Amino acid sequence: DTEVTQTPKHLVMGMTNKKSLKCEQHMGHRAMYWYKQKAKKPPELMFVYSYEKLSINESVPSRFSPECPNSSLLNLHLHALQPEDSALYLCASSHPQGRGISTDTQYFGPGTRLTVL
Amino acid sequence: AQSVAQPEDQVNVAEGNPLTVKCTYSVSGNPYLFWYVQYPNRGLQVLLKYITGDNLVKGSYGFEAEFNKSQTSFHLKKPSALVSDSALYFCAVSSRGSNFGNEKLTFGTGTRLTIIP
Repeated sequence: DTEVTQTPKHLVMGMTNKKSLKCEQHMGHRAMYWYKQKAKKPPELMFVYSYEKLSINESVPSRFSPECPNSSLLNLHLHALQPEDSALYLCASSHPQGRGISTDTQYFGPGTRLTVL
Repeated sequence: AQSVAQPEDQVNVAEGNPLTVKCTYSVSGNPYLFWYVQYPNRGLQVLLKYITGDNLVKGSYGFEAEFNKSQTSFHLKKPSALVSDSALYFCAVSSRGSNFGNEKLTFGTGTRLTIIP
């Protein structure tokens, strides 16, 4: 099973709303990622969790708050977003660095299409 | 710093003809190289990867790619294109031996492949 699931598929929110995106995988991966993708552009890395600890934050604004409650789940909490934050938000997972595992493929979920009004 | 170049935004190929999607990379140390495909409003799906070993890598749906270290290239190829191959293709690289290894995946800008019936 190489499936990463994301909910919701679509989300429309106002600039004052608080919402959360959810991601789940059951592949035993201990690295999980959030990416942001604008139309016709490559994914941009936002956050990486390795063994449930935040290992990379690509200088993402604080209105995006990640959370990794356990090894299978990854959340992205959203608050006071701007219209320019509208994008496809992708979650991915992989085996983490440095544990003797040579295959490093990141497996992506289908994404959440976020629209900020 | 690592980078990936996909020199063609758009590639059009007649159905049944061979196709090539170009990718060159720059990375310190030995690379991990990937090709991902993205269908409209979907997440990314890995087609193939080069970690080590044979320079010719075979992947899903009849695709293959050749790792050329001297030219720092990893072009995607298929002998006979299908209309269903029409999608957005991303080349990606990460670096073995860097602090973050596979966790820092850098994508090219993407190539839109259109197969003409």
